Amino acid sequence: SQTIHQWPATLVQPVGSPLSLECTVEGTSNPNLYWYRQAAGRGLQLLFYSVGIGQISSEVPQNLSASRPQDRQFILSSKKLLLSDSGFYLCAEAPGGPSGYTFGSGTRLTVV
Amino acid sequence: KNQVEQSPQSLIILEGKNCTLQCNYTVSPFSNLRWYKQDTGRGPVSLTIMTFSENTKSNGRYTATLDADTKQSSLHITASQLSDSASYICVVGFNAGNNRKLIWGLGTSLAVNP
Repeated sequence: SQTIHQWPATLVQPVGSPLSLECTVEGTSNPNLYWYRQAAGRGLQLLFYSVGIGQISSEVPQNLSASRPQDRQFILSSKKLLLSDSGFYLCAEAPGGPSGYTFGSGTRLTVV
Repeated sequence: KNQVEQSPQSLIILEGKNCTLQCNYTVSPFSNLRWYKQDTGRGPVSLTIMTFSENTKSNGRYTATLDADTKQSSLHITASQLSDSASYICVVGFNAGNNRKLIWGLGTSLAVNP
């Protein structure tokens, strides 16, 4: 079965600082990978998805970017964090599209 | 506009009692409906997935129903346990051209008290 590793679990960063969140997947090859954000009082929002190495699709314009340097690695980045970037970031994997997600344990980001 | 609305927003029940959570959606064209359980500070975990032709699906003490005509779904929890305390999220999938997309509800926060 698939296992998704996310780190760190919590992160406090000052406004204007860079960000790098890493997600790695075990137990599957060529997965579809997703980055979601869950802000307080809001539903999960899809940020990026990737169907393969180097292939990134962005769902919403924002201060963040994503990269997929390896088949089982998905990275979420920012050059300069904003207060509005605070939230709970979740990496997810789904075989063949969003028919059945497996989520990582998430990273709680607080921008101060 | 594609939307998923859940009710109640929060719910408190006593251990051992049953409860039912509601989900209404206006998503088209409908593809599937899922229920997830999300413990505080954790990622969501899938409970059930139903397609248009399915009107009920069970996973242990969790039973989901789907009425595609009225665009309503419910999640029934039987003999609740303390570990059922979590947020329960209804998610509706739809087809957007060649892409399949999901609309996430805000969830119902369930607290099971001893």
